[in-house]
Amino acid sequence: DAGVTQSPTHLIKTRGQQVTLRCSPKSGHDTVSWYQQALGQGPQFIFQYYEEEERQRGNFPDRFSGHQFPNYSSELNVNALLLGDSALYLCASSFDSYEQYFGPGTRLTVT
Amino acid sequence: AQSVTQLGSHVSVSEGALVLLRCNYSSSVPPYLFWYVQYPNQGLQLLLKYTSAATLVKGINGFEAEFKKSETSFHLTKPSAHMSDAAEYFCAVSESIQFYFGTGTSLTVIP
Repeated sequence: DAGVTQSPTHLIKTRGQQVTLRCSPKSGHDTVSWYQQALGQGPQFIFQYYEEEERQRGNFPDRFSGHQFPNYSSELNVNALLLGDSALYLCASSFDSYEQYFGPGTRLTVT
Repeated sequence: AQSVTQLGSHVSVSEGALVLLRCNYSSSVPPYLFWYVQYPNQGLQLLLKYTSAATLVKGINGFEAEFKKSETSFHLTKPSAHMSDAAEYFCAVSESIQFYFGTGTSLTVIP
């Protein structure tokens, strides 16, 4: 079992650009959640996808959007990047939402 | 909304000494509670979880936590610290879908 995988590992973008991050859930999991972890902070919930729909959203602007595919994998898209978007982006998968398994994260740097 | 407070952003213990990491939460209903560990440049690994069964929860690597409803606390302990325990520890609470994380406690183990 590969667990939760994320790609890419690291990414450097310029302000104003757009970025897409990818996540493959743990085998048997159907729910994917995305978190933003700024340096020195705990993860902040962005949104959760289930059955290809956004089920719940945290306090993030519409520049953050996502998608879930029929195979349960997911993408996080961020438009019009700001310097403050620099962070570790974590994907977590679950079957019942109450126990989430996290991937290694994607480190996004916006310059 | 839920909130999680982790007292002490940095904790240092000697190897072999007791580890105590503190977590208090706010919740109007019995919550689900979790402790995660994060090693440098890695994602979060679940240490243990409380889901309204036994109040004393045992996790991996010799860690355990006790749910105290009257104190709204879920402190993490380990009788004897090992060098490999040095990491960032996050307490999280969930009522439904969304997880709320504390700001983390960095544990240093002194040889």
